[in-house]
Amino acid sequence: GESVGLHLPTLSVQEGDNSIINCAYSNSASDYFIWYKQESGKGPQFIIDIRSNMDKRQGQRVTVLLNKTVKHLSLQIAATQPGDSAVYFCAENTHASGGSYIPTFGRGTSLIVHP
Amino acid sequence: DGGITQSPKYLFRKEGQNVTLSCEQNLNHDAMYWYRQDPGQGLRLIYYSQIVNDFQKGDIAEGYSVSREKKESFPLTVTSAQKNPTAFYLCASSTATQETQYFGPGTRLLVL
Repeated sequence: GESVGLHLPTLSVQEGDNSIINCAYSNSASDYFIWYKQESGKGPQFIIDIRSNMDKRQGQRVTVLLNKTVKHLSLQIAATQPGDSAVYFCAENTHASGGSYIPTFGRGTSLIVHP
Repeated sequence: DGGITQSPKYLFRKEGQNVTLSCEQNLNHDAMYWYRQDPGQGLRLIYYSQIVNDFQKGDIAEGYSVSREKKESFPLTVTSAQKNPTAFYLCASSTATQETQYFGPGTRLLVL
């Protein structure tokens, strides 16, 4: 999972295994959360989102779980594939005064999938 | 092909020089954002703009400047006051009410 420090947390899995990436967020007022995937040298891509009135949301091969009591978010990837290898970021969002959401990003977790 | 573009892909800055990074989007998004990413770190917000001719400082605005004269464009200038500019710079956009941000491919800035 994500943590403070100089080195990016890393999760290594075998192809076909399920992966779980964790994220602790800081602001109890955050009401919208997003997981992004960033491949090397590219911009982050949206994977899945969840609002604070939900505790689980499923997409294609991905599931996000939200535990507001302990301010914890997780991303589960089923049947992990080599193409899933990337850095995964969680973002917590709070409303700016003009209506847009201003996200705060975690440091990211590097997922390495071994064939 | 709709999306958000950044140019150049790589940019070199000499000591004391100002450089400008381009960000353009054709998604008709009202809000645009600039982030800085350092190795092994998350994204840190430099500036954001929710509407044309208006922008707000983010967490690390010192040494940077922006303008928002057109809805589709949000250029970032890295000034000579930014003493440690080497980083990967990411631009993003979103609709005013939709929260998901769409990111460009990034510009890597290096100091000569």
